[in-house]
Amino acid sequence: AQSVAQPEDQVNVAEGNPLTVKCTYSVSGNPYLFWYVQYPNRGLQFLLKYITGDNLVKGSYGFEAEFNKSQTSFHLKKPSALVSDSALYFCAVRVFSGAGSYQLTFGKGTKLSVIP
Amino acid sequence: DTEVTQTPKHLVMGMTNKKSLKCEQHMGHRAMYWYKQKAKKPPELMFVYSYEKLSINESVPSRFSPECPNSSLLNLHLHALQPEDSALYLCASSQDHAGTYNEQFFGPGTRLTVL
Repeated sequence: AQSVAQPEDQVNVAEGNPLTVKCTYSVSGNPYLFWYVQYPNRGLQFLLKYITGDNLVKGSYGFEAEFNKSQTSFHLKKPSALVSDSALYFCAVRVFSGAGSYQLTFGKGTKLSVIP
Repeated sequence: DTEVTQTPKHLVMGMTNKKSLKCEQHMGHRAMYWYKQKAKKPPELMFVYSYEKLSINESVPSRFSPECPNSSLLNLHLHALQPEDSALYLCASSQDHAGTYNEQFFGPGTRLTVL
């Protein structure tokens, strides 16, 4: 089965420090990977995606993600965390659902807390 | 306009009520989605409409009935729900669905409580 895993339920980081939110994938073929962020009582916001090309993908709000094929990982990073980055982060992978259709399968989510 | 709107924001209903959730987008997207999300859990796909036709139904109980009146609108009709159906219901849209990797744009959701 094609899936993504987020090994950490929670990540705490001090404001101004670099942050990393981890994601690993299990996909046959080329993976199409996404990161979304969800603030409390809100919908999901798209941050970035990897389809092909450069392994370092830059996204919204200063976030970036590194695609590593050998480690089957797609970790989300930011050089300097802000308190406003505190939210729930989801990694997702596009999976084939039959008859030419695709859907997103999400990881369980990682709660990021940035401490002032 | 790069927004997906959902109404109402909150809904409280009894188990015998009939209600509807509404979703609208004006980005010209041809794929629209309904998700159910429980607290601190990832969204679970319920339905996908592609070019106004139901493309995916993830074995959702018949008390949930989707409708896509046109390419901009998506409804979810609710009838005889159970308390365990209480959740955040998210609508999303993307440029298209089949054979694409386009990102999905999510609405803010409707917080549903079933008494």
